[in-house]
Amino acid sequence: DTAVSQTPKYLVTQMGNDKSIKCEQNLGHDTMYWYKQDSKKFLKIMFSYNNKELIINETVPNRFSPKSPDKAHLNLHINSLELGDSAVYFCASSPMNTGELFFGEGSRLTVL
Amino acid sequence: AQKVTQAQTEISVVEKEDVTLDCVYETRDTTYYLFWYKQPPSGELVFLIRRNSFDEQNEISGRYSWNFQKSTSSFNFTITASQVVDSAVYFCALSEAGNAGNMLTFGGGTRLMVKP
Repeated sequence: DTAVSQTPKYLVTQMGNDKSIKCEQNLGHDTMYWYKQDSKKFLKIMFSYNNKELIINETVPNRFSPKSPDKAHLNLHINSLELGDSAVYFCASSPMNTGELFFGEGSRLTVL
Repeated sequence: AQKVTQAQTEISVVEKEDVTLDCVYETRDTTYYLFWYKQPPSGELVFLIRRNSFDEQNEISGRYSWNFQKSTSSFNFTITASQVVDSAVYFCALSEAGNAGNMLTFGGGTRLMVKP
């Protein structure tokens, strides 16, 4: 069983579209995250949720909206996609206060 | 503010050579965690090690070893007798214990290429 799973793994879409990436963890962790990895491999935190509540919201455009229906799921919805949104998006989870993140396999988003 | 610097963007070695990946960090917290992650060509992020700020003992795991020195704010990673399968991007990361949500700050990564 995959501990942190993301779908879809690949997503190709046109500018202006709206898309979602789903994430689920079966580790029983309290905290979930979205990280963005750009074409130069830089990894940056976007959001952090703890027990369905938003903890961290780094400087991310309003077009990005995370949704956590329960503590095992953290979905990422992106409106009005732009070319610069092309990246690999990683979901992760961690037990509280350990700092150790378990990452999903990543979702590669390509905006044409 | 926390910051992690990996000055080496790319390293190329020949199989069986030893290689050290450097990591320097900045933090105002006295309690923090340091990590190394590996990202092979397949793209997933693989956890390698976590070290807390109160434990400066070096660690060895097979061909991997880590040298943590608070005096120089460094947490370097050495691969002994490198193999082609070690080819990957390696990330050093820092998490301050005081930050809400266990946010990791990553360095820019070091791409290691091990040639046969």
